Amino acid sequence: AQSVTQLDSQVPVFEEAPVELRCNYSSSVSVYLFWYVQYPNQGLQLLLKYLSGSTLVKGINGFEAEFNKSQTSFHLRKPSVHISDTAEYFCAVSQTFGNEKLTFGTGTRLTIIP
Amino acid sequence: NAGVTQTPKFQVLKTGQSMTLQCAQDMNHNSMYWYRQDPGMGLRLIYYSASEGTTDKGEVPNGYNVSRLNKREFSLRLESAAPSQTSVYFCASSDVRDTGVPEAFFGQGTRLTVV
Repeated sequence: AQSVTQLDSQVPVFEEAPVELRCNYSSSVSVYLFWYVQYPNQGLQLLLKYLSGSTLVKGINGFEAEFNKSQTSFHLRKPSVHISDTAEYFCAVSQTFGNEKLTFGTGTRLTIIP
Repeated sequence: NAGVTQTPKFQVLKTGQSMTLQCAQDMNHNSMYWYRQDPGMGLRLIYYSASEGTTDKGEVPNGYNVSRLNKREFSLRLESAAPSQTSVYFCASSDVRDTGVPEAFFGQGTRLTVV
């Protein structure tokens, strides 16, 4: 079984400030890690994914995430946010073999303050 | 290339009514999923289908049935709607053949209200 914890349900950040959205996971097997973004009244789209190799992963819209195996974390960061980054962000995991099911965290709502 | 298409986008039902949510994907993916999204609970898997002709229960299957009609289509049926099924429903598809990982593609969602 696997699970994902997003400790922050809401994160307000001033425009052009840096942001970090936290994600921790638990799994008895090796996993792939994902961050998805959901803009208001839309479906989810993939922001970035970690498969293997380099622990720093770059995604779309200037976001990046760092995989830390010892801390079982996959935090999402952006050095300077824009109003357009206002959205809900979901961390997710899936097993590296067998079942392709995604397990999602409860989401973090990022609000950018002008 | 439409990706994942869900219909309808909005629906209001009375308690006890039935309805089917439709989902179709044009990416030739093997796996398809139905999730529900509720405030503060993220996305929870209702049912999934690893391939045509197979379906399995997810985390919250009670009150729902599914049909994998063919490789493209995966429908979700509420036989007797309850207010607790008020939610936003998302269909998704994925296939490890494309990128080697199960990257999921989502539809735009169906906002269902049961009164």
